[in-house]
Amino acid sequence: KAGVTQTPRYLIKTRGQQVTLSCSPISGHRSVSWYQQTPGQGLQFLFEYFSETQRNKGNFPGRFSGRQFSNSRSEMNVSTLELGDSALYLCASRITGHSVAFFGQGTRLTVV
Amino acid sequence: DQQVKQNSPSLSVQEGRISILNCDYTNSMFDYFLWYKKYPAEGPTFLISISSIKDKNEDGRFTVFLNKSAKHLSLHIVPSQPGDSAVYFCAASPGNTDKLIFGTGTRLQVFP
Repeated sequence: KAGVTQTPRYLIKTRGQQVTLSCSPISGHRSVSWYQQTPGQGLQFLFEYFSETQRNKGNFPGRFSGRQFSNSRSEMNVSTLELGDSALYLCASRITGHSVAFFGQGTRLTVV
Repeated sequence: DQQVKQNSPSLSVQEGRISILNCDYTNSMFDYFLWYKKYPAEGPTFLISISSIKDKNEDGRFTVFLNKSAKHLSLHIVPSQPGDSAVYFCAASPGNTDKLIFGTGTRLQVFP
């Protein structure tokens, strides 16, 4: 069974640009969550989707958005990039409910 | 407000000995707890979980203990192996959401 797949693995963008990251969950998993990891802040919850609906959102500005498609694949978008958005962005999928969340390898975003 | 705390940023243990990683939480609504292991530039790998209805869960060399009255959980690794060297995160999930709240991590180094 394939794991959670995130693309691209690495990305370099310029301040002010926007970026879209993609996540394909494990087959059969309907819940997809996104996290940001930075050296000083650890893993911070961004948002969670289930059946194409956002169920939870973390404490991030509106520049961060996401969506989920009918096949459970998810994308997150960051607009008007800032230097502080440089981070490892992680996607996790789970069946639903209190089950284990499995993470992808992450997308390393560098904003210059 | 850090709802999940790992107060030891690092831990060094000799191979073959026990490693004990600690985690404290403040939110009594958390009812599912997980431990993840993480290498740099990779996604977290699930290790072990525990529901709030239990106080102990074992899986091979890994045991998680939950003390609800103290709002404390710990991960025991015995015997520790050099391959266990990584950053360990504890995570908690409130009962009404799939969102995970992570601690800041403890870097474990197992030396020969």
